[in-house]
Amino acid sequence: GESVGLHLPTLSVQEGDNSIINCAYSNSASDYFIWYKQESGKGPQFIIDIRSNMDKRQGQRVTVLLNKTVKHLSLQIAATQPGDSAVYFCAGVPYNQGGKLIFGQGTELSVKP
Amino acid sequence: KAGVTQTPRYLIKTRGQQVTLSCSPISGHRSVSWYQQTPGQGLQFLFEYFSETQRNKGNFPGRFSGRQFSNSRSEMNVSTLELGDSALYLCASSRRTGVGTNEKLFFGSGTQLSVL
Repeated sequence: GESVGLHLPTLSVQEGDNSIINCAYSNSASDYFIWYKQESGKGPQFIIDIRSNMDKRQGQRVTVLLNKTVKHLSLQIAATQPGDSAVYFCAGVPYNQGGKLIFGQGTELSVKP
Repeated sequence: KAGVTQTPRYLIKTRGQQVTLSCSPISGHRSVSWYQQTPGQGLQFLFEYFSETQRNKGNFPGRFSGRQFSNSRSEMNVSTLELGDSALYLCASSRRTGVGTNEKLFFGSGTQLSVL
């Protein structure tokens, strides 16, 4: 079946440290992945995406790693800032169902000053 | 460029009523999808529309329906509201066109529906 799950519901880091948020997926949700950030009272905000033919993609202060062997992806945030505090979701797209995102449960990131 | 716009922002209804939510996608985006977010179930896919046609549907009862207009704006309707329908309803748009293609989805701020 289709499923995407996050490993930890909460993560607390010190300001300036690097954060790593993990996510696992089942066989079906394996074509395309997106990481979203959601702040209280707002909709999910696009962070970065990665296609299944890639292993790594970098953005501004963020890196997504995809390990297809163990069906795992991670979001790395460099030099975490207080403004990074939010709930982070990974979402996967099943093959040939491009408009349908399967979301994980989310990891709440807290950044301590 | 304006983002995805959803109206209304908040809505309070009573059981048995029906509700219509509206979504205006990013200009040039023709694919619109809808999601329900609750604390217990998280974010769940409702349906996707492209060129006024429903292209994909999630596992929700028939009380949940939607449509898309020729200008790509979309509405979703929930009839015979139940307490469990209380949720944040999110709309997302993308440039996706073909069935087998993937594009980034951008979300609106959602409509918070409370059913009393």
